[in-house]
Amino acid sequence: DVKVTQSSRYLVKRTGEKVFLECVQDMDHENMFWYRQDPGLGLRLIYFSYDVKMKEKGDIPEGYSVSREKKERFSLILESASTNQTSMYLCASSPGREGGELFFGEGSRLTVL
Amino acid sequence: QKEVEQDPGPLSVPEGAIVSLNCTYSNSAFQYFMWYRQYSRKGPELLMYTYSSGNKEDGRFTAQVDKSSKYISLFIRDSQPSDSATYLCAPRGRGSTLGRLYFGRGTQLTVWP
Repeated sequence: DVKVTQSSRYLVKRTGEKVFLECVQDMDHENMFWYRQDPGLGLRLIYFSYDVKMKEKGDIPEGYSVSREKKERFSLILESASTNQTSMYLCASSPGREGGELFFGEGSRLTVL
Repeated sequence: QKEVEQDPGPLSVPEGAIVSLNCTYSNSAFQYFMWYRQYSRKGPELLMYTYSSGNKEDGRFTAQVDKSSKYISLFIRDSQPSDSATYLCAPRGRGSTLGRLYFGRGTQLTVWP
């Protein structure tokens, strides 16, 4: 089975802290994605990557950055966390250049106080 | 205009009911139409997908696409309490950038015994 693992299920951080959310997939997928999910707003794409060291902005990249140093790992970074970044963060991966089925992790619920 | 519109519900039905979940979309280039199911505190999982217009059946679930009206439906027959989840429609274009999916907001469904 494809497995997408997010390192932290629940995090509580303070405003201004730097936050790292880690995601690892074990199926050699080319594409990886970070979404945030909020009630009433659904899934919104933050950043995605189609290759090592490559990244593309999604719909809401402001306040976030990403890193993909290895094919299996895609990190989301909040340089200076703010309360409006309190959310559920979902990592996903998909195979191939044209993509396909997205495989999601279990999510990381971040609370910023 | 959002790419995909989906009524968030919530929808509450008795066990055994027929459930109809719907989305509309605006981009006529969409060719693949996916439905994801998300249980509480879990990541979304692919439930079904169809290519172009038509119906696809899988057990109690039927996915239907009408490209002429840009309308996507998911029907659940003989609904069960275990079907209680959020259902997200997600179309994408053929050869679109990385096969990027555009998610609806999701419809929260509760099936009560």
